[in-house]
Amino acid sequence: DTGVSQDPRHKITKRGQNVTFRCDPISEHNRLYWYRQTLGQGPEFLTYFQNEAQLEKSRLLSDRFSAERPKGSFSTLEIQRTEQGDSAMYLCASSPTAYEQYFGPGTRLTVT
Amino acid sequence: AQRVTQPEKLLSVFKGAPVELKCNYSYSGSPELFWYVQYSRQRLQLLLRHISRESIKGFTADLNKGETSFHLKKPFAQEEDSAMYYCALGTGGGNKLTFGTGTQLKVEL
Repeated sequence: DTGVSQDPRHKITKRGQNVTFRCDPISEHNRLYWYRQTLGQGPEFLTYFQNEAQLEKSRLLSDRFSAERPKGSFSTLEIQRTEQGDSAMYLCASSPTAYEQYFGPGTRLTVT
Repeated sequence: AQRVTQPEKLLSVFKGAPVELKCNYSYSGSPELFWYVQYSRQRLQLLLRHISRESIKGFTADLNKGETSFHLKKPFAQEEDSAMYYCALGTGGGNKLTFGTGTQLKVEL
């Protein structure tokens, strides 16, 4: 499968724990995006990388959230001290240009 | 701030009937509009974008700047069109997408 992959697909964690998600983009895509989707809502933009540079970060992203993309390849999204409100589907997308984003299957986070 | 509104959570039509999924946007700049679709147990994928003015799977969408709308249309619905449809507004050169809440289309036989 040459599409965007995300790991893990599901994560259950206790409140207060840290979690880290990984996204592997399509290999030739230099742009990478993270979104969060809660039940009944569309995806909400979190952050965007071009190569290894994080160029935009949503105000939705609190200080507990951090994303990295070392060497412009895979990306990680870490959430520290998780809260129940962090429960959501976390989507990653990549694109070769600005206009067409290819989405991964998502990581479903449940905070108990 | 930019905003995308999809007023219908669910739209149910019969096979062969016309389909129109509504999308309105709010944005002070020059808009870039997209429709994304998510079929059951599949990932979100791009259906069409206004700049290419193409028809994909029989769907078309015209950007109406006067009415700030980008409605998705298909003249004859097919069973395989049943899916969740999201309208999205691209800003920041199309890098940041703002999605609507989505419309679930159900095509009944």
